[in-house]
Parts: sequence; C-alpha cells; structure tokens
Amino acid sequence: GQNIDQPTEMTATEGAIVQINCTYQTSGFNGLFWYQQHAGEAPTFLSYNVLDGLEEKGRFSSFLSRSKGYSYLLLKELQMKDSASYLCAVSLRSNDYKLSFGAGTTVTVRA
Amino acid sequence: EPEVTQTPSHQVTQMGQEVILRCVPISNHLYFYWYRQILGQKVEFLVSFYNNEISEKSEIFDDQFSVERPDGSNFTLKIRSTKLEDSAMYFCASSDDRGRDQPQHFGDGTRLSIL
Repeated sequence: GQNIDQPTEMTATEGAIVQINCTYQTSGFNGLFWYQQHAGEAPTFLSYNVLDGLEEKGRFSSFLSRSKGYSYLLLKELQMKDSASYLCAVSLRSNDYKLSFGAGTTVTVRA
Repeated sequence: EPEVTQTPSHQVTQMGQEVILRCVPISNHLYFYWYRQILGQKVEFLVSFYNNEISEKSEIFDDQFSVERPDGSNFTLKIRSTKLEDSAMYFCASSDDRGRDQPQHFGDGTRLSIL
C-alpha cells in the first residue's frame, strides 16, 4: 500500500517562512508533486520533484530525498492568501502515473 | 491559460438515482483522470483513461461507476445507482503526459450530494 504522511496543521505569521514536511513509503515511486488547495476549490499545481535536491519557484521551493522518502515544501514571505491546504502527492509508476495524495497540511497565516 | 472545466458545480440527487458528471479536459491533453474527495478527507484516485479506454482503476471504482469520452472534448463519469457514501467532491484532471514530468491539471470539481 501507499503511506504518505504530512502534518495536519501549521500556523505562521505574515512575512515568515513555513516548511511543510512529507514522508512517504510507496511502491513504484516516480516523483512528488505539491499542490495548493483553497477550501472548496480544486488543487492547483505548485511544484514537482523527480530528482534529489531543491527546486525553487519564486516564493515556493520544494526538496526531495528519494533515499529517505522525504520531501518538504518551503513557503517564504508568507502572505494572507497563502492560507490553504497543501497536498503532497506521489506519482506512482503505474499505467498512467496516478497520483496518491497525503491528507494535506492546513496552513493558517496570521497578521 | 487553458483549464479543465467541470459541470455542474453542484449536483443534488436522491439515493438510487443515476448521475453523470461532465468534464472538458484541456484540449491537447491525452490522459484523463477522475478523483474524489470526501469532505475533510484526502483526495483519492478513482480511474485513469487513455486512448479511449480505462488504463487503471481503484477499488473504489466498482461496477456502479463508468467513464466515457463520447466525443472529442467531453469526459464523463457516471454513477449508476448512487449511495449516500458517494457524497463527495469529484475532480476531473488531465495531463499531456503520463504525469511523469507534467502536472495533472484539475477542474474546479462537482460537489455531489446524495440525499
């Protein structure tokens, strides 16, 4: 089976940095996606890691260690609009690289 | 920017009735997916579809579920006889690759409420 763990909730202050960790134990791992999901809305793509290391996209960065089954999403210069759920999703080397999602981390940004 | 569109945004149906959820994937995408998210729970894979046939399905996708691409643009999910536990948000997604290096793009979802 697939096991993807991430913290349930995190709170941070506007302008600060928050790191959301994700650990996974899966068979057929191909890569790892991070999605943002505002309440009642669709997941939107943030980042993708397939090789070990850091991928940086503006205020968001994501890191992957395949050997440790570990990833993190780093949100810098937090803004109020960043309050959302952040979903760690593993792409599995199946017929169509379906996504297996973690339960999501709800980030609340306070003024 | 092209996007995945889903209709209706909200569907209320009596238990035992059939529902059809509709999706228009991004036009040059070839791989299509349905996911669902029960309120307060994680997003779960239902089925993937490529080249006019199901590629993979989860244990959730039982005989009550079916998918179809009736024309060149629509991709539908049918639930034949709905149950209370089918109440969830249903997301359609598409990708121009097998998700290997390209993200799956999600529609805004259909909130299905079974009474």
